[in-house]
Amino acid sequence: QKEVEQNSGPLSVPEGAIASLNCTYSDRGSQSFFWYRQYSGKSPELIMFIYSNGDKEDGRFTAQLNKASQYVSLLIRDSQPSDSATYLCAVKKPGSARQLTFGSGTQLTVLP
Amino acid sequence: DVKVTQSSRYLVKRTGEKVFLECVQDMDHENMFWYRQDPGLGLRLIYFSYDVKMKEKGDIPEGYSVSREKKERFSLILESASTNQTSMYLCASRTSGSLNEQFFGPGTRLTVL
Repeated sequence: QKEVEQNSGPLSVPEGAIASLNCTYSDRGSQSFFWYRQYSGKSPELIMFIYSNGDKEDGRFTAQLNKASQYVSLLIRDSQPSDSATYLCAVKKPGSARQLTFGSGTQLTVLP
Repeated sequence: DVKVTQSSRYLVKRTGEKVFLECVQDMDHENMFWYRQDPGLGLRLIYFSYDVKMKEKGDIPEGYSVSREKKERFSLILESASTNQTSMYLCASRTSGSLNEQFFGPGTRLTVL
């Protein structure tokens, strides 16, 4: 079992719709979770982090964490073509102050 | 703005060559990382460093070594390049603290022929 799993996609949604990106992790002791966005040919950039169960909202983005189910998701409301990118889920390794484990990413396409 | 720079965007080397990839950050970050990114496999950590001259192996250190002689610079070394090391290499840095953002460099696309 991979430590961090994401559906590779591609996921296509129409402009204005809600895009839902999902991530599961294997280590129940994981504490901190990050969503990175990576445009084609570019390096990843941080969108959000979450460490408490529940929802965390930032503009059109909402991160959701359910530690009991070992599940973290990213919702993008009112999706725009400029949101088309690969979204990487990352989990801080338990016992490590520094190491992140990344999922393989979900490719999102927002259709105009 | 935090800036992480890498010495080359594209690099072509031959099998058996020694390859140096350089990374420099300008924000006095303690921690620096080298990843490789391959389709379907995502980002995989090769090595990281949490202080000058300190290093720790990541998930896939075989075939690689690193050097950190100065705080701002972290080098990845392929002692004898092989074709299976053809990949995108990404450097990152962050300051200490659980929730601090990790900043990535632009990447080096290495091709080993």
